[in-house]
Amino acid sequence: NAGVMQNPRHLVRRRGQEARLRCSPMKGHSHVYWYRQLPEEGLKFMVYLQKENIIDESGMPKERFSAEFPKEGPSILRIQQVVRGDSAAYFCASSPRAGQRTEAFFGQGTRLTVV
Amino acid sequence: GIQVEQSPPDLILQEGANSTLRCNFSDSVNNLQWFHQNPWGQLINLFYIPSGTKQNGRLSATTVATERYSLLYISSSQTTDSGVYFCAVEGAGGTSYGKLTFGQGTILTVHP
Repeated sequence: NAGVMQNPRHLVRRRGQEARLRCSPMKGHSHVYWYRQLPEEGLKFMVYLQKENIIDESGMPKERFSAEFPKEGPSILRIQQVVRGDSAAYFCASSPRAGQRTEAFFGQGTRLTVV
Repeated sequence: GIQVEQSPPDLILQEGANSTLRCNFSDSVNNLQWFHQNPWGQLINLFYIPSGTKQNGRLSATTVATERYSLLYISSSQTTDSGVYFCAVEGAGGTSYGKLTFGQGTILTVHP
């Protein structure tokens, strides 16, 4: 049973370009979460998705960031017109359900560098 | 929202020493997990422990939910234990549904 798969592992973008980060959850998991870790900081929740639905996007910046989890294929975190402050590690997690007695498993992260 | 505080912020040990890391949280929780972020940045699940005690090799953890804290014990530390240890909780309140709130972490350095 493969773990949570994220790609790419490292991504370099110039200011103003778009960044697309992909996350394939563990087999049997239908809940996906994205977290961001800024340099020297802890991890902050961004968005929680189920298939074709955004459940909670309270941690997403209001502009330039979007996320989806289509019926088929991986979850995508999209950052438009990237700026230097977007440089961070982006982690995806998945779980079989939410609520009590639910362990989340994390991918290896995508390290975004904006130059 | 729920607050999570970890202590100590930094810990330096000699190989073979034991240590205790603490996580305090401000409200009732549905879930609590401990993670190790290794020097390569990978987040590794250590324990899923919303209550009770668990052990895995040299590591063990205890959560006392009624008193809102969790402890992670590392015995006979090794250099490979170095990294950052995070505690993360899912609050029991409706606005916390499905999302983990992380503490700031404890940076552990184990010297040979």
